[in-house]
Amino acid sequence: DQQVKQNSPSLSVQEGRISILNCDYTNSMFDYFLWYKKYPAEGPTFLISISSIKDKNEDGRFTVFLNKSAKHLSLHIVPSQPGDSAVYFCAARRNSGYSTLTFGKGTMLLVSP
Amino acid sequence: NAGVMQNPRHLVRRRGQEARLRCSPMKGHSHVYWYRQLPEEGLKFMVYLQKENIIDESGMPKERFSAEFPKEGPSILRIQQVVRGDSAAYFCASSPPGTGGGETQYFGPGTRLLVL
Repeated sequence: DQQVKQNSPSLSVQEGRISILNCDYTNSMFDYFLWYKKYPAEGPTFLISISSIKDKNEDGRFTVFLNKSAKHLSLHIVPSQPGDSAVYFCAARRNSGYSTLTFGKGTMLLVSP
Repeated sequence: NAGVMQNPRHLVRRRGQEARLRCSPMKGHSHVYWYRQLPEEGLKFMVYLQKENIIDESGMPKERFSAEFPKEGPSILRIQQVVRGDSAAYFCASSPPGTGGGETQYFGPGTRLLVL
């Protein structure tokens, strides 16, 4: 049973345009969400996060939106750059004393010049 | 400050052999997490350790897999009698004491295990 779902295995976008990566979750106990970026042969690196008490968090070109009622979040990258080409993982956790991460399968983003 | 280090980066084993994967956390980090990524899958949590303690091993297969994080030295993920289904990328992450949040988990480059 997959608790965090990224239904698009891949996404192609032109440089300068907006990239929108989507993520859905099923576990209502999750209240903190993160996006990681991963290049081939490297480990994931943290990109941006959002708490369930917010519906938007912005950091430079990256914005994460959370729709708690729909159990849906999205990552917007604007403008997209070729260096953004990577696999993006959505992850979720419960905000307890410690909590492990539950990851989606990832979406491969390709930004073409 | 060196990042999380994992070695070996690539490991080839024949069925039935043992695999030992090492993880050295970032300096000052006392929490270590192991994740496994099967082909075409996301990362799946395996085990969470602090120095000399296993805190959560709910993601570890019941047999053949074990993990430790001794007082001195790296964390070790050990897989005995490997089978082809163990072929995957194994990632280690570390975080500072007093935290557990995802944004404070720093990942290593992974060890890619191939079982022939």
